[in-house]
Amino acid sequence: DAGITQSPRHKVTETGTPVTLRCHQTENHRYMYWYRQDPGHGLRLIHYSYGVKDTDKGEVSDGYSVSRSKTEDFLLTLESATSSQTSVYFCAIRPGGGTEAFFGQGTRLTVV
Amino acid sequence: KNEVEQSPQNLTAQEGEFITINCSYSVGISALHWLQQHPGGGIVSLFMLSSGKKKHGRLIATINIQEKHSSLHITASHPRDSAVYICAVDGGSQGNLIFGKGTKLSVKP
Repeated sequence: DAGITQSPRHKVTETGTPVTLRCHQTENHRYMYWYRQDPGHGLRLIHYSYGVKDTDKGEVSDGYSVSRSKTEDFLLTLESATSSQTSVYFCAIRPGGGTEAFFGQGTRLTVV
Repeated sequence: KNEVEQSPQNLTAQEGEFITINCSYSVGISALHWLQQHPGGGIVSLFMLSSGKKKHGRLIATINIQEKHSSLHITASHPRDSAVYICAVDGGSQGNLIFGKGTKLSVKP
């Protein structure tokens, strides 16, 4: 199995608080992605990274920021959590385009 | 219109049945992925293909690039095959995948 770990796996937080989710990989893959999964939708891209300090926005990036200071870690921050950000968040890694993707186990975030 | 469409959305089968899940896409792609997600679980890659057919155990994936269509077949289905099957295509920039909404499969004993 690809070495990819998400933390925490579950979190309940209050509206307006900041939240940071972590994705850690041991594969040295270049590309890292954050997706959210909601009922009635396919996985939707929040942000992605194509190298250390190289990140870009996805289709649902509003309210989220990311950082990648090391190859192995990709952090997703909700600056001020809202109920609409209640979701399951998945991290994925890939060596490059056109290669197999590996997913973390997901983080279930509830904003109350 | 979604760029990746899967059918059916939900599928119930009896153990032993042959199952087909379909995926159609509207964008140019370099590869197509089939993924599996068990209830409450993570997402696992089953296949990545850009042409023809691939087989792994009881699972077979085919793709027709000209028709922009792929199928996932499960032979001799088993209750442990119950999961959501997700089609995704390599059509975005920077290796981003575009996902279908998934097909929820339930196999009854």
